[in-house]
Amino acid sequence: QVQLVESGGGVVQPGGSLRLSCAASGFTFSSYGMNWVRLAPGKGLEWVAFIRYDGSDKYYADSVKGRFTISRDNSKNTLYLQMNSLRAEDTAVYYCAKNQGLSDYEQFDYWGQGTLVTVSS
Amino acid sequence: AIRMTQSPSSLSASTGDRVTITCRASQDISSYLAWYQQKPGRAPKLLIYAASTLQSGVPSRFSGSGSGTDFTLTISCLQSEDFATYYCQQYYNYPRTFGQGTKVEI
Repeated sequence: QVQLVESGGGVVQPGGSLRLSCAASGFTFSSYGMNWVRLAPGKGLEWVAFIRYDGSDKYYADSVKGRFTISRDNSKNTLYLQMNSLRAEDTAVYYCAKNQGLSDYEQFDYWGQGTLVTVSS
Repeated sequence: AIRMTQSPSSLSASTGDRVTITCRASQDISSYLAWYQQKPGRAPKLLIYAASTLQSGVPSRFSGSGSGTDFTLTISCLQSEDFATYYCQQYYNYPRTFGQGTKVEI
């Protein structure tokens, strides 16, 4: 069965950095686009970033562009999110989510359980 | 970015009720629209994609309709396990965007 397991969350000071990981299993990871989505306290879901199956294309929300970098290691079945210059407003639960199909127009069919990032001094 | 606007932001209902949530896109997104359910402390769950296609394993009391800019999620007979927050999401272009959510409460 498909499993996505995030890790790497924690408490970090404003301006600091953190790298999240998402370990995937139960499907051919190297065939699917992957996403990061976050849920801030008291807010709604916000899409953060996407990476194509082979890493050739990446897209970002304006709120994180230039500060966050999405990447993947298909040999390790792992998705990453490098977060730099963190701000209080980046405090959220971060989920990795798998595209359902192989096209450029895909919904997210599997999600991890999330990892909490808290940016605070 | 395409703005997704849901209404209402919250609603109170009882088990057995028929519930309708609407989602409006700021531009034409064809049928590239998904609905998700999220319960506190849990990951979102895909309910409907392509505006009206029920995801495998999702009860048939959930249905979706619409195309272009106006979409609807309907729960035909609300069950206790349906009390949650519901989000629409467009996947027509990047950045992907979600509606602000509709909280369905008892």
